[in-house]
Amino acid sequence: GAGVSQTPSNKVTEKGKYVELRCDPISGHTALYWYRQSLGQGPEFLIYFQGTGAADDSGLPNDRFFAVRPEGSVSTLKIQRTERGDSAVYLCASSFPRGEQFFGPGTRLTVL
Amino acid sequence: DQQVKQNSPSLSVQEGRISILNCDYTNSMFDYFLWYKKYPAEGPTFLISISSIKDKNEDGRFTVFLNKSAKHLSLHIVPSQPGDSAVYFCAASAKDDMRFGAGTRLTVKP
Repeated sequence: GAGVSQTPSNKVTEKGKYVELRCDPISGHTALYWYRQSLGQGPEFLIYFQGTGAADDSGLPNDRFFAVRPEGSVSTLKIQRTERGDSAVYLCASSFPRGEQFFGPGTRLTVL
Repeated sequence: DQQVKQNSPSLSVQEGRISILNCDYTNSMFDYFLWYKKYPAEGPTFLISISSIKDKNEDGRFTVFLNKSAKHLSLHIVPSQPGDSAVYFCAASAKDDMRFGAGTRLTVKP
């Protein structure tokens, strides 16, 4: 596809469960970003990949959150032992280095 | 800590008038600034950007102004159209890091 895609679009899970959120960036974009957006807030930075490596993971809130990008393209954000406070829209974006970021539609995560 | 602030959560203007959205930042290392527009159930889409070496960038109805000494930027939309109604996010970047403001919901009334 032409844009960034994210799956699933919606995810409902129970407290304590494990979830994986997937991001397919625009082909050729080497940079990939994960953000979390809560209601009434702007996107909050979580982690940034340049190629396969996490160049900056300072935004991950705690060690329950982890992200990978093993082949420098698709990325997966993994959340262990989910908590109700993890409920948010998780946005993925990709770009060329220092270029504007193109966002996916997001995954709405609801933890019951 | 909020490095990028949009102090107006909402703004309402009449069609045809000017919309001015404001943004303040605290980190003097930011050297690239962007505005994104977001419709419900969609990801933010890039609108316009400005480098810190400029103080103005114009693209059609959209103009971004940067005042580095005041650490302030603004987005002007003129004339405003009902289709401009959306949430607008200001973003600031240093190297590959980017921080977003909380957004301003713009409503343009016909």
